[in-house]
Amino acid sequence: GESVGLHLPTLSVQEGDNSIINCAYSNSASDYFIWYKQESGKGPQFIIDIRSNMDKRQGQRVTVLLNKTVKHLSLQIAATQPGDSAVYFCAATSGSRLTFGEGTQLTVNP
Amino acid sequence: KAGVTQTPRYLIKTRGQQVTLSCSPISGHRSVSWYQQTPGQGLQFLFEYFSETQRNKGNFPGRFSGRQFSNSRSEMNVSTLELGDSALYLCASSPTGLYGYTFGSGTRLTVV
Repeated sequence: GESVGLHLPTLSVQEGDNSIINCAYSNSASDYFIWYKQESGKGPQFIIDIRSNMDKRQGQRVTVLLNKTVKHLSLQIAATQPGDSAVYFCAATSGSRLTFGEGTQLTVNP
Repeated sequence: KAGVTQTPRYLIKTRGQQVTLSCSPISGHRSVSWYQQTPGQGLQFLFEYFSETQRNKGNFPGRFSGRQFSNSRSEMNVSTLELGDSALYLCASSPTGLYGYTFGSGTRLTVV
């Protein structure tokens, strides 16, 4: 079945640095990918998405890169701020079902 | 516009009881899906409803069920609660179930 994994469970960066969070997926039929941010006590919050016909998409301070050849996507956060501290999940679709990775805890040190 | 509303936010139940959780999707969204989040298993898909029909189902026992009403509001029910059912239950609404998923804040269920 589908599985989605992240390479690192935790990531610690200095305020102002760029952060990169990675994710690998297994289902080559997945055609839509999403990054979510989850803060303690809250539900996942949409950050950015990308369809399989694209390899890069940019938002405000965030960029998602998709490499379908190796089934890998990454989230880049520019100029990381303390408010970016949270758990980040990638998710891939299979029909109307989202399969989530395990999450990376991002800690931003002042 | 209003987001996804889940009620109640917190719930404490005893083993063997049953529980019903509610989710009101974003206006105009016809798909509602449910997820269970636990520290050990992460976010696991329970089921998805679209236009009052269950369209997709995850690998959970039959004790977990749901339904969707004509106004797209959804409920999920867990019968004969077990300690392992303690989790954060999240619902997500989407216009069609194929993109644009927005999550609610979840219902924290504790089974004692």
